[in-house]
Amino acid sequence: GEDVEQSLFLSVREGDSSVINCTYTDSSSTYLYWYKQEPGAGLQLLTYIFSNMDMKQDQRLTVLLNKKDKHLSLRIADTQTGDSAIYFCAEMDNAGNMLTFGGGTRLMVKP
Amino acid sequence: KAGVTQTPRYLIKTRGQQVTLSCSPISGHRSVSWYQQTPGQGLQFLFEYFSETQRNKGNFPGRFSGRQFSNSRSEMNVSTLELGDSALYLCASSPATGNTEAFFGQGTRLTVV
Repeated sequence: GEDVEQSLFLSVREGDSSVINCTYTDSSSTYLYWYKQEPGAGLQLLTYIFSNMDMKQDQRLTVLLNKKDKHLSLRIADTQTGDSAIYFCAEMDNAGNMLTFGGGTRLMVKP
Repeated sequence: KAGVTQTPRYLIKTRGQQVTLSCSPISGHRSVSWYQQTPGQGLQFLFEYFSETQRNKGNFPGRFSGRQFSNSRSEMNVSTLELGDSALYLCASSPATGNTEAFFGQGTRLTVV
């Protein structure tokens, strides 16, 4: 079945860039997503990319997709303490009604 | 525009009881999906409803069920609760099935004692 993998933890200094990586196995995924979860909260949709794109930029966020290697990354420029959270990548199945999530990467931003 | 509303936010139940959780999607959205989040298993898909029909179901026992009403509001029910059912249950709302954007509610934290 589908599998999505992420590293568990990332620590950066305020003002630096953060890069969170994700690998997936389902080559028929239509869309790939990044969600943010703060303590005690639900999931906030940050951005998504269609599988036939290789890059998408949205303000401080840049998503890179390497479809050949099934590798997705999220770059956060000028990381702030408010960016501290757990970040989940997810893929949408080709029927378009189920998301498969990675285990989440906990981002810690040090002042 | 109001977001996805899940009620209740917190719930404590005893083993063997049953529970019903509610999700009101964003106005105009017709697809509702449910996910279970636990520290051990992460986020796992439960089921998806569109126009009152279950379109997809995850790998959960039959104790987990759901339904969707004509106004797109959805409920999920868990019968004969087990300790392992303790989790954050998240509901996602999309305009239509296969839509790119799935917006999540704050979740219902269920604790089974």
